[in-house]
Amino acid sequence: DTEVTQTPKHLVMGMTNKKSLKCEQHMGHRAMYWYKQKAKKPPELMFVYSYEKLSINESVPSRFSPECPNSSLLNLHLHALQPEDSALYLCASSQPALNTEAFFGQGTRLTVV
Amino acid sequence: TQLLEQSPQFLSIQEGENLTVYCNSSSVFSSLQWYRQEPGEGPVLLVTVVTGGEVKKLKRLTFQFGDARKDSSLHITAAQPGDTGLYLCAGGSSYNTDKLIFGTGTRLQVFP
Repeated sequence: DTEVTQTPKHLVMGMTNKKSLKCEQHMGHRAMYWYKQKAKKPPELMFVYSYEKLSINESVPSRFSPECPNSSLLNLHLHALQPEDSALYLCASSQPALNTEAFFGQGTRLTVV
Repeated sequence: TQLLEQSPQFLSIQEGENLTVYCNSSSVFSSLQWYRQEPGEGPVLLVTVVTGGEVKKLKRLTFQFGDARKDSSLHITAAQPGDTGLYLCAGGSSYNTDKLIFGTGTRLQVFP
């Protein structure tokens, strides 16, 4: 199984809503990532979990809250988002190592209205 | 800050043509990966190059890692419409091995 599964695939939420994005992998990878990608731009790193501990937070606003319940799951909790947060949110996983080959999910297309 | 600059930014060609995409940095990377991303999907890993001067072939795609491990190139022979997509190079940060740094991207369109 070389898949990273993200749910939901599409999400529309209001600025006062609370929602969560979910990511799951069963490749035994111990590093998991959240990226944000705007149209026609490369992915931008948001958070990295390594061995279930937050190792990188790229100065992401607190309205985005990551959670890693176990080595297979990664969540991104969303609260009080702004329309400019609308983007494709990508989850990825890899083995923590020097050659960081990442496997990506299909992404969640988020629209904030 | 480690940066990866890709060129060209956009490429629009006819089916059957050859093309080369470049990925350059002033920093040394322990390895570089190439990904292809189609609209609305996540990036898909194509290849990893590790050794300076290394050349890897994947059907019509040829990847090269520079001798100094600061640059890489992707050459596509006889491009097909199915090659259309966003091509991204990426490398692991020397300062934090958990961090994957993406290049600026090359958007390729191949017309039939």
